[in-house]
Amino acid sequence: DAKTTQPPSMDCAEGRAANLPCNHSTISGNEYVYWYRQIHSQGPQYIIHGLKNNETNEMASLIITEDRKSSTLILPHATLRDTAVYYCIVRVADGNKLVFGAGTILRVKS
Amino acid sequence: GAVVSQHPSWVICKSGTSVKIECRSLDFQATTMFWYRQFPKQSLMLMATSNEGSKATYEQGVEKDKFLINHASLTLSTLTVTSAHPEDSSFYICSLAGAFTDTQYFGPGTRLTVL
Repeated sequence: DAKTTQPPSMDCAEGRAANLPCNHSTISGNEYVYWYRQIHSQGPQYIIHGLKNNETNEMASLIITEDRKSSTLILPHATLRDTAVYYCIVRVADGNKLVFGAGTILRVKS
Repeated sequence: GAVVSQHPSWVICKSGTSVKIECRSLDFQATTMFWYRQFPKQSLMLMATSNEGSKATYEQGVEKDKFLINHASLTLSTLTVTSAHPEDSSFYICSLAGAFTDTQYFGPGTRLTVL
């Protein structure tokens, strides 16, 4: 499984964009990048995923570099409710297994 | 996305007893279900993967005789912690995936405390 590297924590001002980086330099050509978040004492919530093109949905945007060795999750207008642990995961190509790393603790402050 | 429920949301039991946790898919046919465990201030650790009608596949270091998994239907999977001990106290989370989706959806989790 390709490993990911994320900063342990980040702060963001309420209303501003939150940009969460992730490095996955050993990603294989058919592996997807997934983002989940976990609010305290809840199960993880799916945010977005992509292969090589940038993706956007109602929650966030995912920007993947051309060499696919890194990506950035963008929350365009962070709110206090976005405070959570954000996990960047590279999914193995032959199954649904997700391997969680330590993630990034995002603190949105008013 | 899929709606996943877990029951109970929390449970306290005495050491030596068995506890069953249910994971239900409310609107989705889950061909594959996963069980994770999360200790305080740690990340999720996959315990086992189960496909409907088949025996579960356990991750290395997870005792299959202690953590019994049954995936009897496309909407229900159960995890039974047998002869629970205080070190089994943890947050147990299920997730599910379908045959035609790349995305895994998680339940809200069950907090188990063994006294």
